[in-house]
Amino acid sequence: NAGVMQNPRHLVRRRGQEARLRCSPMKGHSHVYWYRQLPEEGLKFMVYLQKENIIDESGMPKERFSAEFPKEGPSILRIQQVVRGDSAAYFCASSSGTSGTDTQYFGPGTRLTVL
Amino acid sequence: DAKTTQPPSMDCAEGRAANLPCNHSTISGNEYVYWYRQIHSQGPQYIIHGLKNNETNEMASLIITEDRKSSTLILPHATLRDTAVYYCIVRPFYSGGGADGLTFGKGTHLIIQP
Repeated sequence: NAGVMQNPRHLVRRRGQEARLRCSPMKGHSHVYWYRQLPEEGLKFMVYLQKENIIDESGMPKERFSAEFPKEGPSILRIQQVVRGDSAAYFCASSSGTSGTDTQYFGPGTRLTVL
Repeated sequence: DAKTTQPPSMDCAEGRAANLPCNHSTISGNEYVYWYRQIHSQGPQYIIHGLKNNETNEMASLIITEDRKSSTLILPHATLRDTAVYYCIVRPFYSGGGADGLTFGKGTHLIIQP
């Protein structure tokens, strides 16, 4: 039973390029969450999506960042015109959306380095 | 901001029980206590959660005080691979839709000594 999958595991971009991070939730899960962990800092919630809908994007930077979770395929976190401050580990989590204790399970993360 | 307080670091001898405390004095009646851990640079790993009763699974036990203002995560026989940052998180009962992101604090860095 595969867990949450993220790719690529490591991504290097030059300033001004675009970064696309992918997340495939666990089988049977329809809810996806993205978190960012800056170097030497804690994990910060970015966005919560259900299929084709953004439910909560209160943690997303206002510019350059976007997320989607299409009907088919993985969830994508897109960062346009990357800057050095975007260098971080980006983690995706998924859950089943079951009312009550809807546990989130995390993927291994994508480490983005901006040169 | 995180609604929990944890000691920044703890040591434990290999083979002994590791007891990690967490204070959540402002917890509401519909909020659960969740524990995750992050082993160096890996994705956070779910450990256990509870509401008001003590809970046990194959990884750990969770002891919640009767007033629910604090809890203790117990790793019964710590190994070197248990060295990690442990996060105690308070999270509302999920009712579908709405804000549901986890709020991570700084956690406790547990170091298992050989």
